Amino acid sequence: AQTVTQSQPEMSVQEAETVTLSCTYDTSESDYYLFWYKQPPSRQMILVIRQEAYKQQNATENRFSVNFQKAAKSFSLKISDSQLGDAAMYFCAWRGAQKLVFGQGTRLTINP
Amino acid sequence: ETGVTQTPRHLVMGMTNKKSLKCEQHLGHNAMYWYKQSAKKPLELMFVYNFKEQTENNSVPSRFSPECPNSSHLFLHLHTLQPEDSALYLCASSQGAGRAGNTIYFGEGSWLTVV
Repeated sequence: AQTVTQSQPEMSVQEAETVTLSCTYDTSESDYYLFWYKQPPSRQMILVIRQEAYKQQNATENRFSVNFQKAAKSFSLKISDSQLGDAAMYFCAWRGAQKLVFGQGTRLTINP
Repeated sequence: ETGVTQTPRHLVMGMTNKKSLKCEQHLGHNAMYWYKQSAKKPLELMFVYNFKEQTENNSVPSRFSPECPNSSHLFLHLHTLQPEDSALYLCASSQGAGRAGNTIYFGEGSWLTVV
């Protein structure tokens, strides 16, 4: 069975600084994707970034980037130049052919 | 504006009531999903529909009854729920259910409180 683990229940960062959220996963499948979703107080789950497992190059989306270490099954999210609007729950997710499995989430607080 | 719309956003119901949650997607997708998000638990997949056919029921109690009349609409019919069923119910859609690369897009959720 696939599992996704986020070991940091809460994180905080000063506005304009950089923060890294950790995620590890376990799977025996070879074809999968990894995602980071953001859930602000409105509770809508918003896609932040995605990574194809077969690609070695780390995905980047503006201020958001990932560090994908396939052998270590690690998929961390780096947020640069943190903004107040980045405050939210962040969920790491693994997607195979049949399932999307979420981690427990990390609550990110941005300090002004 | 989200491509996946859920109504109602908030629902309070008694344990003997019958109510329904509605989801509509405007993204041209073929797969739709119901997820449950409870406090202190990861998101739990409940049901998957692919081209209107149910392809997954994640051992969900029969008091939750899904309906997918077409690829754009998904309902969750609720009957004789328990207080522990109080949660945020998230609807989602994707291009197809069977490919890892098909990103899943979520609605804003329906807050359900069972009293």
